[in-house]
Amino acid sequence: RKEVEQDPGPFNVPEGATVAFNCTYSNSASQSFFWYRQDCRKEPKLLMSVYSSGNEDGRFTAQLNRASQYISLLIRDSKLSDSATYLCVVGGPSGSARQLTFGSGTQLTVLP
Amino acid sequence: DAGVTQSPTHLIKTRGQQVTLRCSPKSGHDTVSWYQQALGQGPQFIFQYYEEEERQRGNFPDRFSGHQFPNYSSELNVNALLLGDSALYLCASSPGRGITNEKLFFGSGTQLSVL
Repeated sequence: RKEVEQDPGPFNVPEGATVAFNCTYSNSASQSFFWYRQDCRKEPKLLMSVYSSGNEDGRFTAQLNRASQYISLLIRDSKLSDSATYLCVVGGPSGSARQLTFGSGTQLTVLP
Repeated sequence: DAGVTQSPTHLIKTRGQQVTLRCSPKSGHDTVSWYQQALGQGPQFIFQYYEEEERQRGNFPDRFSGHQFPNYSSELNVNALLLGDSALYLCASSPGRGITNEKLFFGSGTQLSVL
């Protein structure tokens, strides 16, 4: 089983749609959680951190369910510029040099 | 303020050759991590450097080695290249003092093709 699993997609949605991505992780001792965005042939960029209480940044909402080891990202009112690959990222247990483990990514295309 | 810079941007090598990739971290960052991203996959952690020492290593063979210099810049060396080493190699920096590498800032990567 992969440490971080995501539905690869692709998700093709019309502008204005709401789309949700899911991610599961295998290590229950994981301490930190993120969503990164990666445009085609570019570097990943941090989109948002994910907290147990859930957090929102404009049209983006992230949720964490530690009991189910499940992370989600909701994008409302999709824009053409949201087209990208979304990477679910999990940080290891507490201790020195926690490394990040990336999922394989979910590809989103927003259509006009 | 320059972000993370990597060189070269593209590289073509043949099997068995050796390659060196370079990275300068974002200003104020002292910790550098290297990742390998194969096509269609997420980045895979290779290793992390802090205070000129390798602090953590992912599941990569000894053919992959690195170095960090006093100015925090870093090199990734790969010996005896295999076709499977073809990938985008990403350098990421953080101000984590080797403690955590959360909220990474990535360079634009070096695309390595092994023929």
